[in-house]
Amino acid sequence: GNSVTQMEGPVTLSEEAFLTINCTYTATGYPSLFWYVQYPGEGLQLLLKATKADDKGSNKGFEATYRKETTSFHLEKGSVQVSDSAVYFCALNTGFQKLVFGTGTRLLVSP
Amino acid sequence: DTGVSQDPRHKITKRGQNVTFRCDPISEHNRLYWYRQTLGQGPEFLTYFQNEAQLEKSRLLSDRFSAERPKGSFSTLEIQRTEQGDSAMYLCASRPDPRTGGEKLFFGSGTQLSVL
Repeated sequence: GNSVTQMEGPVTLSEEAFLTINCTYTATGYPSLFWYVQYPGEGLQLLLKATKADDKGSNKGFEATYRKETTSFHLEKGSVQVSDSAVYFCALNTGFQKLVFGTGTRLLVSP
Repeated sequence: DTGVSQDPRHKITKRGQNVTFRCDPISEHNRLYWYRQTLGQGPEFLTYFQNEAQLEKSRLLSDRFSAERPKGSFSTLEIQRTEQGDSAMYLCASRPDPRTGGEKLFFGSGTQLSVL
C-alpha cells in the first residue's frame, strides 16, 4: 500500500541552523510528492512539490529532491528563521489529489 | 480569493448526537475534498467531489458519515450518532479543475469536533 514515514519531532533548532526533516515513502508507481506546512492557527499550505524522480522542489529557501532509489523526499533549509516554526507534513498523491500524509514533524526555532 | 472557509471552528457534542459541518471552497474550484486529522497524526482522506458529484469515499467513511455538495459550491459533512472515536479535526480542501490548475490543494482551517 501507500504510506509515508517522517522523522518524529519536535525538532528544535537555533535561528540560522541547518534543517533536515526526513521523509520516506512506499508507493505503487511514482506518485507526486509534497511538503505541506501548518503554521500555528492556520490551515495546511503547500510548501513545495516534485512530480517525478530527480525533480527538486523549492520554495521560501526550502528544498526537497525526489529520490526514487532511496524512496525519499527529505526537506532541507540552509538557515532557519523563527518564523519557520510550524508543523511540516510530507505527503504523496495516490491519484486525483487523494493525499497520504505522514504524521507531521514539529519544528521549533529559537532566536 | 477569500480562501476555503469552514464552519464552525469548534463543535462539542455528546455521544449519540448528530453534527453537521459546512465548507465553502474557493469560488472557482470545482473539486472539493474532506480529510480527517486526529491528534498527532497526518490528515486522512475521506471523500471528494467534482462539482456536485461525489466521486470517491474512503473506507474510513462509515455509514454514519454522509457528505453532500448539492449545487457544486459549498459542501456539508454530517456525522450521525457520534462516537468518541469521531473526535478529530475535519479539514476541507479545494482545487481548480486539473485541466486548468495545478496539483495544489487549498485547505481550510478545519472544524475541531469533540465528542463527550
